[in-house]
Amino acid sequence: NAGVTQTPKFQVLKTGQSMTLQCAQDMNHNSMYWYRQDPGMGLRLIYYSASEGTTDKGEVPNGYNVSRLNKREFSLRLESAAPSQTSVYFCASSDFREETQYFGPGTRLLVL
Amino acid sequence: ILNVEQSPQSLHVQEGDSTNFTCSFPSSNFYALHWYRWETAKSPEALFVMTLNGDEKKKGRISATLNTKEGYSYLYIKGSQPEDSATYLCAFINDYKLSFGAGTTVTVRA
Repeated sequence: NAGVTQTPKFQVLKTGQSMTLQCAQDMNHNSMYWYRQDPGMGLRLIYYSASEGTTDKGEVPNGYNVSRLNKREFSLRLESAAPSQTSVYFCASSDFREETQYFGPGTRLLVL
Repeated sequence: ILNVEQSPQSLHVQEGDSTNFTCSFPSSNFYALHWYRWETAKSPEALFVMTLNGDEKKKGRISATLNTKEGYSYLYIKGSQPEDSATYLCAFINDYKLSFGAGTTVTVRA
């Protein structure tokens, strides 16, 4: 039981490049989330998916897109990376929105 | 954006001492309040899920209380140990949004 996995663990991008962060969970959870973590700001919700086939914007969605590919996988795409998107990105999942979230190990992204 | 505030931002505790800190959140449309423990270089791990006004939860030396009418939750650490050093996050969930506080970073000095 791997829990929540994220790839890649670390990525360096140039401004304007695109990339997709992958997230998968094997706990059969309905809800999945993408957060970014910046110093002094805790976790800020980018997008979430309450169930397969649905996605909703969180607190800081600008510059990102998401896809809930199936119940297991929830990807985050940066179409044109900007230095302001340098951050640590965490994926999480939960059975339902009000229940405990389980976090992946994080992806460190550096945009030059 | 939901206003979830945690105070203090950081605190230093002597080993063996007890401490507590606060999470404040909007008192309307309450659904759930979560507490997470986040150690450096790791991922956040759940401590408590609290849903009812007056809830008290306990896990070892750590406990939490909830007051949904006035919009606050306290986390208590009794007899702090160096392994309690971490950032403690609260997350507020109402019927349409979810928001984390910025965390309280606890450093326990031996």
